[in-house]
Formats: sequence, C-alpha cells, structure tokens
Amino acid sequence: QSALTQPASVSGSPGQSITISCTGTSSDLGTYNYVSWYQQHPDKAPKLLIYDVSNRPSGISNRFSGSKSGNTASLTISGLQAGDEADYYCCSYASSSSVFGGGTKLTVL
Amino acid sequence: EVQLVESGGDLVQPGGSLRLSCAASGFNLGDYAMHWVRQPPGKGLEWISAITWNSGTTDYADSVKGRFTISRDNAKNSLYLQMNSLRPEDTAFYYCTKDMRLMWEILVPVFDVWGQGTMVTVSS
Repeated sequence: QSALTQPASVSGSPGQSITISCTGTSSDLGTYNYVSWYQQHPDKAPKLLIYDVSNRPSGISNRFSGSKSGNTASLTISGLQAGDEADYYCCSYASSSSVFGGGTKLTVL
Repeated sequence: EVQLVESGGDLVQPGGSLRLSCAASGFNLGDYAMHWVRQPPGKGLEWISAITWNSGTTDYADSVKGRFTISRDNAKNSLYLQMNSLRPEDTAFYYCTKDMRLMWEILVPVFDVWGQGTMVTVSS
C-alpha cells in the first residue's frame, strides 16, 4: 500500500491549462480504472472532481478532466481560475484497499 | 441537505483507545458503502478503512489493521471507528466519507460526501 506519486507542486497563470500526474503500479492504477481526484482548499474537506478515471460528478465544471495511460493517471485543469488554487489528490483502488497520492499544491500565478 | 458529522475526537495517551462516530443526515446511510480517511495536520490524505452497505465486507490499510475496527448501524444512520492501541502517528483529522454509488459490493474510492472531520491527538 505505497502512496501514489504526485508532483509536490505545479503552477500556472489564469486562463492556462495545467496537468497533474499520478503514478502508481500494476497493483493499483495499472490494473484498475477506479481512479478518482479530489480538490482540497485550506481548512476544508476534500471535494470529488473526477471518478473512474475520467467521469465528472454532477456539478463539476468541464474545465476538469481526467485520463489514464498505463500506470499513470492525469488531471487536467483548463482555463485556470484563481479559485482553482488548492491541493489536489489522486486516489486509486488497490484490491481490498485504496491508496491516495501525496498531493499536489496548485498555485495560480 | 446531505451531511456527515463526525464526533469523538480527543486527546489520548499512546496505547489508549477512542471510538469515533459519524452521523448521516439527508440520505439513507444504509444504501452506501462508507469509508474513513485521515489527514495529519499539514499533510496528505490517507485512506484507512471501508465497509460495504450491508457490513458484508470491511477493508483496512496496513497501518491500522488489527488495531482499528469499522462498523455501522444502519438503523441509526451511523458509522463508527473503534481505535485501539493508538500511536502518536495516528494523530490526524479523521473524515468519514460516503461512496457515491448505491449498494456497490466493491469498496472503490469514489467519495462524494465528506464530513468536516474530527481531530484525534495521540500524545503523552
């Protein structure tokens, strides 16, 4: 149950697009299409953005999109806005458990 | 309004025990799998336990296996986490979360509703 690997930080300017990667192994990401992404603002509970690799829950902007290739999943945020500045976490099913990534801090310049 | 409210967090000595509760409102907790996720102050999220809607299956992270027990009382719309043999590294905010899908038998991570968290501090 090792944590998934995410970059510690990414940044972008308003209006730009950024991508956050999430790397796992054949025991988790590489085998299962049960990858979800969460946004967490300071002192707030996380919020579901993407589930099952690329599906958005009702109410989530289409500026958020997800994908997966091999052992790496990605979250892309297009048209960056100031309110997107937050921590982002990926999470994958890993057979009888789930595992989060270490989190990525997004800074909107 | 769909809501989860955790309670039971406290300061406890190493080796001690604590029971967390999570009260659901606005939906029938008995229809959904539930999970516990924790977050040490200033650090990342860690999934620690899950239970299917009918209590048929429970899963645990290696870090808590044998020490923590997840349970639920659907009649009371409540989820619980019994924590024994607590260690300083268990210090964290503990969130209960709801699985998005109705009556799924596989405990996959799709956490669409989160509580506000309850703080557990393990220290002498």
